[in-house]
Amino acid sequence: KAGVTQTPRYLIKTRGQQVTLSCSPISGHRSVSWYQQTPGQGLQFLFEYFSETQRNKGNFPGRFSGRQFSNSRSEMNVSTLELGDSALYLCASSTGGDEKLFFGSGTQLSVL
Amino acid sequence: SQQGEEDPQALSIQEGENATMNCSYKTSINNLQWYRQNSGRGLVHLILIRSNEREKHSGRLRVTLDTSKKSSSLLITASRAADTASYFCATADTGTASKLTFGTGTRLQVTL
Repeated sequence: KAGVTQTPRYLIKTRGQQVTLSCSPISGHRSVSWYQQTPGQGLQFLFEYFSETQRNKGNFPGRFSGRQFSNSRSEMNVSTLELGDSALYLCASSTGGDEKLFFGSGTQLSVL
Repeated sequence: SQQGEEDPQALSIQEGENATMNCSYKTSINNLQWYRQNSGRGLVHLILIRSNEREKHSGRLRVTLDTSKKSSSLLITASRAADTASYFCATADTGTASKLTFGTGTRLQVTL
C-alpha cells in the first residue's frame, strides 16, 4: 500500500505570494490533517478534513486554508505569504476513527 | 501552542545502551503517542498508550504513563545507530483524535 504522498517536496516563494500544497492520503483513509513544523514553535496543528468537511481547526490566521476532494486528496493554501510561514508542512492521514496518524515526508516551504 | 515539554532536549549514547526520554503534558488526555522523525522528514508512529493504561511494550520500546503526574516516558533498549532521530510525544483530547498536540522533542544520537 502506498504511503502518504506530499508534493512538492521543496518550494521557494517570495513574500506576498500564495502557495498550494498537495497531499494524497493512504488509500482508504478518509481523514487528512495538516501540521506546521518550525524550529521556534515546533509541531502545530493546522486543520483536519474528513469526508470533504473541515472537522477540526488549529489557531492559525485565515490566510491558511484547506480543502479535501471526494477522493480524499487534500490541498492547503497559504495566501499573502510572510517570512514566518517558512516551515516544513506535514500532512497526515488516518481512517478517521483510528488515532494513529500516518505522515507524509512533508513540503519544505521557504519564503524569501 | 505546545502541550508539553520533553526532556532531555538532546541525548547522546553509545550503541547497545538504553535511552530514556520523558514527556510532560498539561491537560486531560484520551491517549498519548510517541513518534519518531528522521532529519527533515515525516513522523513515524511508534506506540500509543491510552489514558487507562500504565505501561505498554512494543519490541525494544517501553512506554509508561502516569496520568496523576501528567507524564510519560519512552525507553528504547539496546539502542542502535539507526535509532538516531528526534522523538516526540503527542497527546489527543477526547473527541479530537487527529488533532494532536506535540511536545518539544528529544534529539537522540546513537554512536557506534
